[in-house]
Amino acid sequence: GENVEQHPSTLSVQEGDSAVIKCTYSDSASNYFPWYKQELGKRPQLIIDIRSNVGEKKDQRIAVTLNKTAKHFSLHITETQPEDSAVYFCAASRWDSNYQLIWGAGTKLIIKP
Amino acid sequence: EAQVTQNPRYLITVTGKKLTVTCSQNMNHEYMSWYRQDPGLGLRQIYYSMNVEVTDKGDVPEGYKVSRKEKRNFPLILESPSPNQTSLYFCASSSGTRGYEQYFGPGTRLTVT
Repeated sequence: GENVEQHPSTLSVQEGDSAVIKCTYSDSASNYFPWYKQELGKRPQLIIDIRSNVGEKKDQRIAVTLNKTAKHFSLHITETQPEDSAVYFCAASRWDSNYQLIWGAGTKLIIKP
Repeated sequence: EAQVTQNPRYLITVTGKKLTVTCSQNMNHEYMSWYRQDPGLGLRQIYYSMNVEVTDKGDVPEGYKVSRKEKRNFPLILESPSPNQTSLYFCASSSGTRGYEQYFGPGTRLTVT
């Protein structure tokens, strides 16, 4: 079955710098890749997603890139701010998988002032 | 307001005392799911449901039961809780017809002593 690996488990960056979190997946048939953000004490919330017919998607300071050949996708956050501090989860899914998401283990992003 | 609700939000109980955590969504979503979240282990799926009367096991179903008698409700039942079920539990829902975003409830913090 599908397996999603996420790295690093913890990432500490200076405020204003960029942060990159990477995920690799094993099932070449996966075609939907969302990223969720979970602030401390809160529920996970979708921040951006990408489908396999697109190589990159941006939304203001965040972007996701997908490399289908290498089977990995990454979350990029530019000009990091204190409110970006959170745990970020990647996930992968197939259209025929009954909406099932296979989750990465999460990355704790720390923004240093 | 579109939302997923869970009750109770916090629960401390003793080993062996049956409990139910309720989950309800008002978005007419077909798909509902239960996750548990433990430090360093990310989100692990317990059970999910594709629609009324259709449920299936996730990755960690042992010790849990679910039912889906109505589309909006998906209760999680612990017939005989044990200390290793101490965790943070999230309910989530999604509609495949409008995308695969999963909407999470606020979480239930369960402690079994």
